[in-house]
Amino acid sequence: GQQLNQSPQSMFIQEGEDVSMNCTSSSIFNTWLWYKQDPGEGPVLLIALYKAGELTSNGRLTAQFGITRKDSFLNISASIPSDVGIYFCAGPNNAGNMLTFGGGTRLMVKP
Amino acid sequence: DAGVIQSPRHEVTEMGQEVTLRCKPISGHNSLFWYRQTMMRGLELLIYFNNNVPIDDSGMPEDRFSAKMPNASFSTLKIQPSEPRDSAVYFCASSFWDNSYEQYFGPGTRLTVT
Repeated sequence: GQQLNQSPQSMFIQEGEDVSMNCTSSSIFNTWLWYKQDPGEGPVLLIALYKAGELTSNGRLTAQFGITRKDSFLNISASIPSDVGIYFCAGPNNAGNMLTFGGGTRLMVKP
Repeated sequence: DAGVIQSPRHEVTEMGQEVTLRCKPISGHNSLFWYRQTMMRGLELLIYFNNNVPIDDSGMPEDRFSAKMPNASFSTLKIQPSEPRDSAVYFCASSFWDNSYEQYFGPGTRLTVT
């Protein structure tokens, strides 16, 4: 089946630093989504991307839909302690009606 | 607006007991998804419903697992009998059918089977 690989698996950064993480697949995706999961909570949708090459921002977050349609990137600028959590990429399966999730990138921010 | 509501938030039970997890989707959403999250396997889709009808249950691990959606505002996931390896966080999510990629998750039920 389709798999999404996220890297890095974890990051420990200083407050104020920029963060970059990515998600890759061996197959093409027509939609990419980025979710964030706070400790003890369910994932929350951050950004949805629907077009190859698309660059979308949500506050300090920016995500891009790779031109090859096999990857996507999420950047966080000027990180703050509340950015702590697990960031998941997700994409629809071949049938287009279920989501496959990556393994997540765990972000830790040192004040 | 109320988000997806799940109950209980925590459940501790002994092996062999029946466990029922509950979910109330966001009003107006017509797709509902049950996920399981573990450290080893990450987020896995168990089953999803459209308009209260189960569409794909290929992710349900065994016959011990069953899910129902008797109406648009309520769904249950039942495990009978429960086993220690069922310990995980179970999430319910809902969405509109024509935009099922943008799913809204509940806070989850943390299940511990001893």
